[in-house]
Formats: sequence, C-alpha cells, structure tokens
Amino acid sequence: QKEVEQDPGPLSVPEGAIVSLNCTYSNSAFQYFMWYRQYSRKGPELLMYTYSSGNKEDGRFTAQVDKSSKYISLFIRDSQPSDSATYLCAMINAGGTSYGKLTFGQGTILTVHP
Amino acid sequence: EAQVTQNPRYLITVTGKKLTVTCSQNMNHEYMSWYRQDPGLGLRQIYYSMNVEVTDKGDVPEGYKVSRKEKRNFPLILESPSPNQTSLYFCASSLSGQGNQPQHFGDGTRLSIL
Repeated sequence: QKEVEQDPGPLSVPEGAIVSLNCTYSNSAFQYFMWYRQYSRKGPELLMYTYSSGNKEDGRFTAQVDKSSKYISLFIRDSQPSDSATYLCAMINAGGTSYGKLTFGQGTILTVHP
Repeated sequence: EAQVTQNPRYLITVTGKKLTVTCSQNMNHEYMSWYRQDPGLGLRQIYYSMNVEVTDKGDVPEGYKVSRKEKRNFPLILESPSPNQTSLYFCASSLSGQGNQPQHFGDGTRLSIL
C-alpha cells in the first residue's frame, strides 16, 4: 500500500466549476501538507501548505486537512482554463529517522474547458 | 533571479555509461533533493540533503549516488545507468527541510537510457 493515495483522474470540468482534489495517507509522522501545481514541461510549483487540521484559504484555493482521518483536500473555486494542470499533494515526515523526507501523491490531471 | 538550474535538460545515453546530472541553486538554501517522475507513479524522492553535512535516502535510492560538498550544488550520479532509470528528473531546494518553506523545483532533466 502506498503511503499517499491520490486519484489520478483525469478530471474535466467547465469553467467556473468548483473543483475538489483529495489525498489520503497512512503515515502518522506526516505533519506538513502541501499542494503543488505542475504545468506541462515544467517543474512543480507550490500552491498551498498547511500544518494543522482545518482550512486554509488563499484566493480561489482552499486547503483542508483532517489529521484524524488522514485526509487532505484542495478546493478550487471559479475554476479557470489556466488552472488546467496536474495537481500533486505532498507530505513531509516530521519524525524519526525519516525526518525531512517528502512524499508525493501520484497527481491528478485537471482540465478546465471554456 | 532565484532559481534551481539543472543540466543537461535532455540526455540520451547507453546502458553502463556513467553520467552526472548537475543541480545548482542560488538562493542559499539548506535543503536540496532529487526526484524522479514516472507516469502513474508521480514524483518519488531519490535522495535528500538537509544541509551540507547530512544526506539521506528517499524512496528510490537504488542505482543513484549524490554528493553535497557545498551548499549550492547537489549533483545526481548514475554510476552504471540501466533502462529502468529512464525518467524525468527534478532537483529541488528549500530554505530548510521543514514543510513551511516552499520547495523550488528546476525545470527537469529528461533522461533516456538505451
């Protein structure tokens, strides 16, 4: 079983839709949670990060963490064609001998069509 | 401009011929890391370095070596490349190994081993 599970999609939505992206994880040592966006032929860029359970909002993006359920989400409101990309969740191990080790989900391909 | 620079961007080579992919960052970051990205598997961490004195294995270190002799450089070495190491490779850096510092990624090195 993978430590981080992410539905690869692909996900196709109309412009203006609300998008929900999700990851589950199994390692309790994961304490920092991030969402990256990756456009074709480019490296991932950080979108959001959270540490504690709850919600964090940044413009049209909201990151949600539920540590009790080992579940994180990214919501995109009023989605735009420019949001079309691969979205990757990522988690950092903050304990033990693997401190600092970063693990990614496999990424969800999102297409927002006009 | 703050950036992570990888070279080469593309390389086609043959089995067994030693190669090195260089990575350099100009942001005075402590943490550097290498990932490979494969379809359906997402980004997997190969090696990471919390600082010049500490280097640790990630999820898929077999067949790779790294070196962190100075803060800005973190080369990835394939002593005897094999076809299963054909992949897209990313180098990344962050101010520290904690999740509250964004990881800056290079634009990738596409490596083909024949």
